[in-house]
Amino acid sequence: KNQVEQSPQSLIILEGKNCTLQCNYTVSPFSNLRWYKQDTGRGPVSLTIMTFSENTKSNGRYTATLDADTKQSSLHITASQLSDSASYICVVGDREGNKLVFGAGTILRVKS
Amino acid sequence: DAGVIQSPRHEVTEMGQEVTLRCKPISGHNSLFWYRQTMMRGLELLIYFNNNVPIDDSGMPEDRFSAKMPNASFSTLKIQPSEPRDSAVYFCASSLNDLAGVTSYEQYFGPGTRLTVT
Repeated sequence: KNQVEQSPQSLIILEGKNCTLQCNYTVSPFSNLRWYKQDTGRGPVSLTIMTFSENTKSNGRYTATLDADTKQSSLHITASQLSDSASYICVVGDREGNKLVFGAGTILRVKS
Repeated sequence: DAGVIQSPRHEVTEMGQEVTLRCKPISGHNSLFWYRQTMMRGLELLIYFNNNVPIDDSGMPEDRFSAKMPNASFSTLKIQPSEPRDSAVYFCASSLNDLAGVTSYEQYFGPGTRLTVT
């Protein structure tokens, strides 16, 4: 069964600190991997999308890495801000790319 | 662009009633997706359309659920009859795919409809 597992389940960090969120997947065949940010009460918003041939992609203070061999990805947040408090969801697309399998998300809270 | 538009934003209904959720995708997008999000199961794909044609409805939980896309700018998700376990946030998303429907293009999510069935 295609699965996407994320860790940790939740995380609290101080404003200004860095953090790294993890994602392991078993989706096969695999087309792409995405990281979404979901604020409370809103729809998910894309942060990065990588194909299997890409190892890293950045979007401002967000940097995603992908190891297609080990089927692992990480999302690194640099110099966290209070507005980074949200759920971060790892999403893997199947071969066609349209059918997405979602992880349960990591709830990040940044406090001052 | 206004983004993906969903209505209503909140819906409270009694068990057994029919519920219709509506979605207007981003203009020019040719793929539309319906998702359901619950605390227990997270986000799940229910169905998606490519060029108004349903491509994969394997995520639709049962026959009580149906979705239509009569044209490129409108889609509905209907639940009849509704049950308390249908309570969730329902998201619509759209994207621009290539002609073959193979894509890694971005999906843009609407704000969601929070459905409560009592």
